[in-house]
Amino acid sequence: GNSVTQMEGPVTLSEEAFLTINCTYTATGYPSLFWYVQYPGEGLQLLLKATKADDKGSNKGFEATYRKETTSFHLEKGSVQVSDSAVYFCALTRPINDYKLSFGAGTTVTVRA
Amino acid sequence: GAVVSQHPSWVICKSGTSVKIECRSLDFQATTMFWYRQFPKQSLMLMATSNEGSKATYEQGVEKDKFLINHASLTLSTLTVTSAHPEDSSFYICSATRGSGKTQYFGPGTRLLVL
Repeated sequence: GNSVTQMEGPVTLSEEAFLTINCTYTATGYPSLFWYVQYPGEGLQLLLKATKADDKGSNKGFEATYRKETTSFHLEKGSVQVSDSAVYFCALTRPINDYKLSFGAGTTVTVRA
Repeated sequence: GAVVSQHPSWVICKSGTSVKIECRSLDFQATTMFWYRQFPKQSLMLMATSNEGSKATYEQGVEKDKFLINHASLTLSTLTVTSAHPEDSSFYICSATRGSGKTQYFGPGTRLLVL
């Protein structure tokens, strides 16, 4: 079946630090990969996505590259801000069921000023 | 646009009672709504998918008589946890799609605690 494994948190960083959240997946075929973010008190929001191997998704300074050879989709940001404090979820959908999301457990990130 | 709300945001109830959670799309008509459940430090698990005016499709292992889903309009879906027990305590999250799109817009979640 499909599964997503992401690094456990919580992660605490200082402003302007480099952030990496590791995400690996297990799926048959070629899934689409997503990163969602949940800010305090709000619903999950789509942060970025990639639909095929070697695609790079990017948004708000965050990037993630779809690596089929390592079945990974690690999230990175070069210089975080306090406003990036949130819970980040890695997720995938399989092409055959392209509306059903399989989520990782989420990683809580806290950025201190 | 594409705001989804949930009500209540948290609820505490006694064991054996039923609890209803509402999910509303505030500024769009939701083609499909989804209900997820999340245990502490675990993934969101899809419980069921519902389309307006039709019966919900439940994921394997989810008791449809326990978790009643009603999708009565294009902007409202409800999840009723019947005869709740402490093991039903969890974070319940809904999402909705708009038109023919596949992007899911998520609500803020409802935390249920059954005593």
